[in-house]
Amino acid sequence: KAGVTQTPRYLIKTRGQQVTLSCSPISGHRSVSWYQQTPGQGLQFLFEYFSETQRNKGNFPGRFSGRQFSNSRSEMNVSTLELGDSALYLCASSLVGTGYSTTEAFFGQGTRLTVV
Amino acid sequence: GESVGLHLPTLSVQEGDNSIINCAYSNSASDYFIWYKQESGKGPQFIIDIRSNMDKRQGQRVTVLLNKTVKHLSLQIAATQPGDSAVYFCAENYSGSARQLTFGSGTQLTVLP
Repeated sequence: KAGVTQTPRYLIKTRGQQVTLSCSPISGHRSVSWYQQTPGQGLQFLFEYFSETQRNKGNFPGRFSGRQFSNSRSEMNVSTLELGDSALYLCASSLVGTGYSTTEAFFGQGTRLTVV
Repeated sequence: GESVGLHLPTLSVQEGDNSIINCAYSNSASDYFIWYKQESGKGPQFIIDIRSNMDKRQGQRVTVLLNKTVKHLSLQIAATQPGDSAVYFCAENYSGSARQLTFGSGTQLTVLP
């Protein structure tokens, strides 16, 4: 069974640009969450999608947005990039059972974004 | 929001010894906990999880202990190997908050030859 796939693996962008990152969850997983990882702040939750709907959102500005498609694949977008947006962006997928019982989240390799 | 924190930022152990990595959590409503291992350049790798209705769970060479009274979580690794060198994170989840995981700051485990 293939794991969580994130593309691209590495990205370099200029301040002010926008970027779109992609995540394909494990087959059958319907929940996709996004996290930002930086040396200073650690792993921080961005948002979570389930059945094409955003269910939960972390404390990030509106420049960070996402969406989920009917095949559960997800994208996140960051507009008007700032130097501080340089980070490893991680996607995690979960198999959500009836009643949304909590199950383990599996992470992809991440996309390393560098803003210059 | 409340956060999960780790007691020690670094831990060095001799190869073959047992390792214990600790974690304190502050949200008493959290009912699900996960330990992740992250190697350089890779995403977090699921190690083991435990629900709040349990106080101990064992996997292959790993054991997680949960003490809800003092809101403490630990990961024990038996016969630590060089391949265990990585950053270990604990994460908590409250089932009422969907898939949002709150992570600790991480502990760097170094296995000495």
